[in-house]
Amino acid sequence: EDQVTQSPEALRLQEGESSSLNCSYTVSGLRGLFWYRQDPGKGPEFLFTLYSAGEEKEKERLKATLTKKESFLHITAPKPEDSATYLCAVGTSYDKVIFGPGTSLSVIP
Amino acid sequence: DTAVSQTPKYLVTQMGNDKSIKCEQNLGHDTMYWYKQDSKKFLKIMFSYNNKELIINETVPNRFSPKSPDKAHLNLHINSLELGDSAVYFCASSPPGVSQYFGPGTRLLVL
Repeated sequence: EDQVTQSPEALRLQEGESSSLNCSYTVSGLRGLFWYRQDPGKGPEFLFTLYSAGEEKEKERLKATLTKKESFLHITAPKPEDSATYLCAVGTSYDKVIFGPGTSLSVIP
Repeated sequence: DTAVSQTPKYLVTQMGNDKSIKCEQNLGHDTMYWYKQDSKKFLKIMFSYNNKELIINETVPNRFSPKSPDKAHLNLHINSLELGDSAVYFCASSPPGVSQYFGPGTRLLVL
């Protein structure tokens, strides 16, 4: 069964304290792994797409990496404005996108 | 210039009523989706349309009926609303095989 899990469920960091979020997946025919950011009361906002193991993408303080079974979202020197829920999703071979439960990140000044 | 828009933003209604949520995208994408996000924030796909044709229909009660009058619009009609239908409903669109762009959500509360 296709499945996406994320850990930790919640993460609290001090400003400047780097860390990583994990997304593990089992899916038949991966057609892309997506990272989104969701702020309270808003729709998910696209961050990255990764297609193959070994691929990396960067945007400001965020860097996403992909292996055959998991993806990491590394946050370097986070700021309070990085506080949000980060969602991981996988695209499957039958055109479905399955979302993980998300990691709620709080960055404390 | 809004990419994916939904109306209404909030919807409060009584059990048993019928209601509709509208979605429009101006990105020129072929595929549109409806998602439900429950109180635990889990996003689950409900329907997907490609060029006005239904391609994904998850295990959703048949009280929910999507309608796509054209490529840029995907509406969701819900009959006989139940308490468990209370959630945030998101519309999204995407080009083939790429990430999805989400609307702001419609917060539905069934009393």
